[in-house]
Formats: sequence, C-alpha cells, structure tokens
Amino acid sequence: GENVEQHPSTLSVQEGDSAVIKCTYSDSASNYFPWYKQELGKGPQLIIDIRSNVGEKKDQRIAVTLNKTAKHFSLHITETQPEDSAVYFCAASMVNTDKLIFGTGTRLQVFP
Amino acid sequence: SAVISQKPSRDICQRGTSLTIQCQVDSQVTMMFWYRQQPGQSLTLIATANQGSEATYESGFVIDKFPISRPNLTFSTLTVSNMSPEDSSIYLCSVGGPRDTEAFFGQGTRLTVV
Repeated sequence: GENVEQHPSTLSVQEGDSAVIKCTYSDSASNYFPWYKQELGKGPQLIIDIRSNVGEKKDQRIAVTLNKTAKHFSLHITETQPEDSAVYFCAASMVNTDKLIFGTGTRLQVFP
Repeated sequence: SAVISQKPSRDICQRGTSLTIQCQVDSQVTMMFWYRQQPGQSLTLIATANQGSEATYESGFVIDKFPISRPNLTFSTLTVSNMSPEDSSIYLCSVGGPRDTEAFFGQGTRLTVV
C-alpha cells in the first residue's frame, strides 16, 4: 500500500523567512496530494492541494510543487508569520478513492 | 464546504469501559471516515462508514473494538470498546475527499484512558 514520508519533523524559522517541508510517496498510482495545517486542539484544515496533472500550485504565500518522476512533493511558505506556527501534514490519495494516507507531520515554529 | 461537529470534545475514561463519539455533518454525505491520531503522531484511518451498509475497516482495526453506526447521511458514531491506556488518542471524523473537492475534519475527540 501507499506510504508517505515527511521531513523534517520539526522546523524553526525566524519571522519573514521561508519554510520548506518535503514529502515522498511510494505508490505511483497516487494522484492527489493535499497539505493540512493542524493547530492545537483543532482538526486538520486544508491549506493547499495539488493533483498529478500539474507541477506547481500557488496561493499567496503558500506553494506546493510536485515531482511525479521522483515521487515527491513539497510545501513552501514564504514570509512566514508567527500565526503560521502549527503542525503540517502532507497526504496522498490514489485514483478512485477518498482515503488519505498521511505523512508523519512537521511541527513548524515561527519566532518573532 | 462541510461543517462537522464532534461530541464529546474530550473525555477521561476508566480502562475497561467504552466511549461513543458522535459526528454530525451539516450536509448529506455518502461516506464518513474515522481517523485516529495517537499523541504526537500522524493520522491513521480506522474505517469508512457508509450509510446502509457495514463499515469497512482498515488493517489493524476490527469491528469488535471500534463498532461504527451510520444511521443516516448526516450522522455517525464510533465506539471505542473495552478501553486500555493504549487507546488514548485523538479521534477524528472526516467527510469528503479528492473525488469531490476536499476532505473536511471535525475538531476531534481527545480521549484519555486511565
């Protein structure tokens, strides 16, 4: 079955710097790759997603890139702010299913 | 979008007892998903709940331990049976997915078993 690895497990950056989180997946049949932000005491919330027919997607300060050949995708956050501090999860899903396989999570801390 | 309400938000339970977690969605959905998030860990799918049929369980999860009900298209329950401290986790309800638009999650139920 699908396996998703995520790195790093923790990431500390200064406010205004960029943050990059990377994930790799094992099943080439996966075609949907969302990123979730989970704040303390809350459920995960989708921040951006990408499907396998595109290589990059951007939404203001957040971007996701996908390399299907290498089977990895990355989250890029620019101009980080303290409110970006949270746990971020990547996930992968295969064709014709709504099941999500999650990465292990990255705790991002943005220091003012 | 979908708004999901989970009850209770947290509970502390004695080992050997059972807890039923409720999940209410503000719109009708075909499938509902139950995830477990152990302390400091990732989310693991427990089962998929379809209205009018038995839930489908993932490897490592069994119906006797995690019975699920799905009486209608807006509601589901997950019971954690005969609890042990190892069941201490956050349990999350989810609806939707990539075949629709996106997956939405409830705020979770934080369970502590003592």
